[in-house]
Amino acid sequence: RKEVEQDPGPFNVPEGATVAFNCTYSNSASQSFFWYRQDCRKEPKLLMSVYSSGNEDGRFTAQLNRASQYISLLIRDSKLSDSATYLCVVNTRSNDYKLSFGAGTTVTVRA
Amino acid sequence: NAGVTQTPKFQVLKTGQSMTLQCAQDMNHEYMSWYRQDPGMGLRLIHYSVGAGITDQGEVPNGYNVSRSTTEDFPLRLLSAAPSQTSVYFCASSLLRGGKLFFGSGTQLSVL
Repeated sequence: RKEVEQDPGPFNVPEGATVAFNCTYSNSASQSFFWYRQDCRKEPKLLMSVYSSGNEDGRFTAQLNRASQYISLLIRDSKLSDSATYLCVVNTRSNDYKLSFGAGTTVTVRA
Repeated sequence: NAGVTQTPKFQVLKTGQSMTLQCAQDMNHEYMSWYRQDPGMGLRLIHYSVGAGITDQGEVPNGYNVSRSTTEDFPLRLLSAAPSQTSVYFCASSLLRGGKLFFGSGTQLSVL
């Protein structure tokens, strides 16, 4: 079983729509969680960290469900510029701070 | 602000050739790492360094060497290229291990 699994998508949504997707992780000892954004043929960039109580950054909302071992990302009022691949990243502190990357969820926002 | 500078952007090698991917950062980050990204898979850690003179293996180290003689530079060497090393390579740095990663722009490597 992969340490971090994501639905690859693609999620095709119209501008202005809300899109949400999850990421599951296998190690219950995981401590830190992040969402990175990767545009086509570009390097990943940190979108936001995910805190236990959930957090928002503008139109983006991230949540953590420790009981079911998943994190989620919700994008409201989607823009064309939100089209990208979103990478889920998990830090398993007990495993010497190893970062595990998901393969990514592709979102395409259409006009 | 240069951040993480990675060269070259593209490279084609023949099987058995060697080469070095360059990575430099100007943020005084102690932690640097190399990842490879293959279709349908998450980024996988090749080697990492927690400071000058200290390196360690990641998840997929075979066929690669690294060294860290300065805080700024962390080159990745392919000793004898194989088709299985065809991939996109990213160098990354962070202030702390497990913290926010700053990535270089990537190297698309093809081994024929």
